[in-house]
Amino acid sequence: DGGITQSPKYLFRKEGQNVTLSCEQNLNHDAMYWYRQDPGQGLRLIYYSQIVNDFQKGDIAEGYSVSREKKESFPLTVTSAQKNPTAFYLCASSIRVGSTEAFFGQGTRLTVV
Amino acid sequence: GENVEQHPSTLSVQEGDSAVIKCTYSDSASNYFPWYKQELGKRPQLIIDIRSNVGEKKDQRIAVTLNKTAKHFSLHITETQPEDSAVYFCAASNQAGTALIFGKGTTLSVSS
Repeated sequence: DGGITQSPKYLFRKEGQNVTLSCEQNLNHDAMYWYRQDPGQGLRLIYYSQIVNDFQKGDIAEGYSVSREKKESFPLTVTSAQKNPTAFYLCASSIRVGSTEAFFGQGTRLTVV
Repeated sequence: GENVEQHPSTLSVQEGDSAVIKCTYSDSASNYFPWYKQELGKRPQLIIDIRSNVGEKKDQRIAVTLNKTAKHFSLHITETQPEDSAVYFCAASNQAGTALIFGKGTTLSVSS
């Protein structure tokens, strides 16, 4: 499995702490995305980025922040303002935004206790 | 914003039967409709996609149909096998064409 890598696979944090999830891709893709997956809820879009130094809010951006300083990297920070942060987080990338195949990372399962 | 509805949420079939999963989308500007398969504990992977200028697309046992007028599209799996058991997600490009909006998923179980 190359291409798009998320780390770590499992992450535990105490309530009230910020935590950053890593996402790196070597596919030379312009667009990157963060989705949250909860049972029965499908994949919900948190943030996306079309190019370096640009990102846009998705449907559930509250309590999250991102940066896109390098083409290869799109880290997601889950802040203490996120009311229910325990979830499975998936990062994806595509050649360009929107209407092309998205390639997913293996995901990070975040548990806040 | 774009909304994608997917039905059914669960589907159980016998090996060899066909399975059909249906999705509707809200934004007539959507022009790309992929289907992803997610096996337990693994990442979602694209299995087939269709663009708005095409009505049907086939790839071996899998086919997707698109009705732009009615704003719905369907996944058809023929001759199902136990290894087809997984969660299937439909998606549609959002109004701005900048991201994919996913349905809530269908858990397909194929029993032998």
